[in-house]
Amino acid sequence: AQSVAQPEDQVNVAEGNPLTVKCTYSVSGNPYLFWYVQYPNRGLQFLLKYITGDNLVKGSYGFEAEFNKSQTSFHLKKPSALVSDSALYFCAVRDFGRGSTLGRLYFGRGTQLTVWP
Amino acid sequence: GAGVSQTPSNKVTEKGKYVELRCDPISGHTALYWYRQSLGQGPEFLIYFQGTGAADDSGLPNDRFFAVRPEGSVSTLKIQRTERGDSAVYLCASSLTWGPGGNEQYFGPGTRLTVT
Repeated sequence: AQSVAQPEDQVNVAEGNPLTVKCTYSVSGNPYLFWYVQYPNRGLQFLLKYITGDNLVKGSYGFEAEFNKSQTSFHLKKPSALVSDSALYFCAVRDFGRGSTLGRLYFGRGTQLTVWP
Repeated sequence: GAGVSQTPSNKVTEKGKYVELRCDPISGHTALYWYRQSLGQGPEFLIYFQGTGAADDSGLPNDRFFAVRPEGSVSTLKIQRTERGDSAVYLCASSLTWGPGGNEQYFGPGTRLTVT
């Protein structure tokens, strides 16, 4: 079964410091991996995705994520955090395989990122 | 361009009533998805459409839930005999294609359903 784990409910970091939001996944085939961000009272916004190729993926707002197949991880990173990055972050996976479950995304529970000034 | 829109933004209904939630996807997106997000949880898949047909409805929790997309654009999620446990934010998303692809899904702002 496909699943995503975000081991940290909360991450707190000072502005200007690097940040990491962790994600591990489990799929039966090759994974398509996504990060979304959710601001209060707003829908999920797409940040970045990994499909194939370079393990380091760059996305919106200066975020990047590193795919690690051996560790089944896809951690979200940013070299220098901003207060405006404070939001709820979701990791999601889609299984590249056969069957009718191709379309759905499996989401983690989310990690609340707080960047303090 | 316009994103995914959902109406209403908030819906309060009494237990046992029927509700309809509407989703208007991004123009040209053939795939449409419904998810449900409970407090403190990530979105959970309900159903997705490719065109007019439901390609996967295995996430619908029971037969009180039904969704349609008659013309391949707007979709309506219908909930009969609502229960308090149905209270959640219902999210709609659309994407360009479905299938074994990495097409990202674009989400609407959601409909917050409260069943009293």
